[in-house]
Amino acid sequence: GESVGLHLPTLSVQEGDNSIINCAYSNSASDYFIWYKQESGKGPQFIIDIRSNMDKRQGQRVTVLLNKTVKHLSLQIAATQPGDSAVYFCADYLYNFNKFYFGSGTKLNVKP
Amino acid sequence: EPEVTQTPSHQVTQMGQEVILRCVPISNHLYFYWYRQILGQKVEFLVSFYNNEISEKSEIFDDQFSVERPDGSNFTLKIRSTKLEDSAMYFCASSTSGRGEQYFGPGTRLTVT
Repeated sequence: GESVGLHLPTLSVQEGDNSIINCAYSNSASDYFIWYKQESGKGPQFIIDIRSNMDKRQGQRVTVLLNKTVKHLSLQIAATQPGDSAVYFCADYLYNFNKFYFGSGTKLNVKP
Repeated sequence: EPEVTQTPSHQVTQMGQEVILRCVPISNHLYFYWYRQILGQKVEFLVSFYNNEISEKSEIFDDQFSVERPDGSNFTLKIRSTKLEDSAMYFCASSTSGRGEQYFGPGTRLTVT
C-alpha cells in the first residue's frame, strides 16, 4: 500500500531571531537526551546533549532545557542563521534498553 | 576531523536479493550502530554492537538482518532477502561509550525494486 510520511511541524524564523524547538518524550526512565540536526541528504549531526540530572545546558549559540516533570525537552538557537535551516530532532536514551529513541523532528526554515 | 564513512552512497537492488552495506566507524570508537530512515519519516534504531556482539536490537531487526565486524575497521549490515519496504536510508553510527554522542555516517540510500 501507499506509504505516507510523517508531516513534520515547521518553524519559520527570520535570520537573527531566536528559535525554540520543542520535543516531548514518553518514558520517564529516559536518562540521557541528545539534539540532532539533519540537513537534506545528510546523516544526523550531534548538536548538544543533556543528562537527566541537569535541567539546562548551554553550548555555542544553543541551549537545551529539560523539564522532567512534563517530559519535555527544548532546543534554543540564538541569532538563527540561514545555515541553521534543517530538520531538528531529539533522541532519548533508555539505559535499561541500551538504545536511543528518536523523535520525528521539526523543520526549521530561516528566512534571510 | 575523524568521521564515519559509508559505502555505497546509493544501492539499487531487486526484491529478494542480498545486500551488504558497509561502514567504517571512527577508529577509536567501541560502540557501533545501524539506523534506518524511511523517506520522510523518523530515524529508527536497528541494532547496536559492542565487543563483537549485538548488544541490543529492535523489532525491525529480524532474521533477515545481520551485522558483522569482519576486521578491525569495517562494520557491515547484511539484508539477506530484500523487500520493497526495506527501501530507506541506512545510517551507521559509532561512539566511544554506549551512552554518549554518536557520530553518524552520511548514509546509504537503499532502493529495492
